[in-house]
Order: sequence, then C-alpha cells, then structure tokens
Amino acid sequence: GAGVSQSPRYKVAKRGQDVALRCDPISGHVSLFWYQQALGQGPEFLTYFQNEAQLDKSGLPSDRFFAERPEGSVSTLKIQRTQQEDSAVYLCASSTSHSNTEAFFGQGTRLTVV
Amino acid sequence: QKEVEQDPGPLSVPEGAIVSLNCTYSNSAFQYFMWYRQYSRKGPELLMYTYSSGNKEDGRFTAQVDKSSKYISLFIRDSQPSDSATYLCAMRSISSGSARQLTFGSGTQLTVLP
Repeated sequence: GAGVSQSPRYKVAKRGQDVALRCDPISGHVSLFWYQQALGQGPEFLTYFQNEAQLDKSGLPSDRFFAERPEGSVSTLKIQRTQQEDSAVYLCASSTSHSNTEAFFGQGTRLTVV
Repeated sequence: QKEVEQDPGPLSVPEGAIVSLNCTYSNSAFQYFMWYRQYSRKGPELLMYTYSSGNKEDGRFTAQVDKSSKYISLFIRDSQPSDSATYLCAMRSISSGSARQLTFGSGTQLTVLP
C-alpha cells in the first residue's frame, strides 16, 4: 500500500474486554514499531520488530500487552482485560532500515475503554 | 523529570511570522534529533532530522541542535495557516541496546492565524 495502514481507526471497549489492533506496514519495510500516545502527550515506545523477530519489548506497560508479527509483515497489538488507563492512540510505524529515523507512521487506532 | 522537555503551548502567531519551537533533553547519549508534525487525528509526519550538532535547512524550516546545551530548535519562516499542527521533537541514541526507540517530547500546539 501507499502508507502504513492501521485498523480499526476507532475502538471502544468495555473494561475487561480484550482488543486486537492491526498494523499493515509499507511493503518491504523490515522494521516495525508500536507507540502509545496519551491525550496531550508525545508517543511513547512500546515494542520493536525486525522482520518477524520482536527485538525490543521494553516499553510494554504490563503483561496484558502482547504484540506479534508472525510473517514479518502485518503486526497485531493485543491488549487483554483492558483498563481505563489503556485509553490512548496506538501508533504503528515502519521503516526500511534498522534505524527509525525515517519511520513512517500510520494514522493510529484511538482506543477508548469505558 | 522527563528525558525530553517541550513547552506544550498553545502557541498562536499571525500568518507570516517566524515561529521558534524548542526542546531540552537530559540524556547526553542522544545523537539523532528529529522534528515531527502531527495534524489533528493523524499520525506524526517526519519534517527533519539532524545527526549530532549543527543546523539543517529545508525550505521554510530550519533545525538547530546544540549538544553542549542539550537544546534543539525548529524555526519556521513565513508561517502559513497550513502549518497549524502539533510539533513533536524526538531523539534517540546510537547505543545498541536502545538504538531503535525514539523518545518524544510532549508536543507544542501551533496555530497560525490568517
């Protein structure tokens, strides 16, 4: 595709519900990143993939957060037993190189937990 | 204290004004410095990046890095209403353990009035 595609754009979840957020990176991009952006704040790093390997998950806030990229292309961020503090925009970015200085971001998924 | 500090604004200027946006940081390991623009309900878009200290110019935009003061700036000349957005500074180190994640400021909301 022309850019990084994320779906759904908006998700409302009841507290305790599991959610799955999808990221379709730019074709051929090796590196994929997930960030969490709270209202009025800058994005915060969650996790990083190089192809199918998850090389850094130091930013995942709890073991309720899980990300995968099984075939080195599409990635899914899963949040189990959602809580109100999980409400945020979840951004995916992809890059051609190991560095993400020129990463392209998707439009994000806005998650609201009620 | 956050590693990257950015005045959240909001900043409102008349069309044609010169805009100065700034960030300070505390981690001396940061070597790559970036500015992203984020329109409402969109993902961040990379404007400029600079390696180490110095200036970089691209059209109406100039990025400056002063590593001795741990201070970076973005200048926008002849500002236009279409420049109205949130501007995020971001930076990263080149050390292998954290090479791939960006640390963002909280963003400055800019409005350029016609």
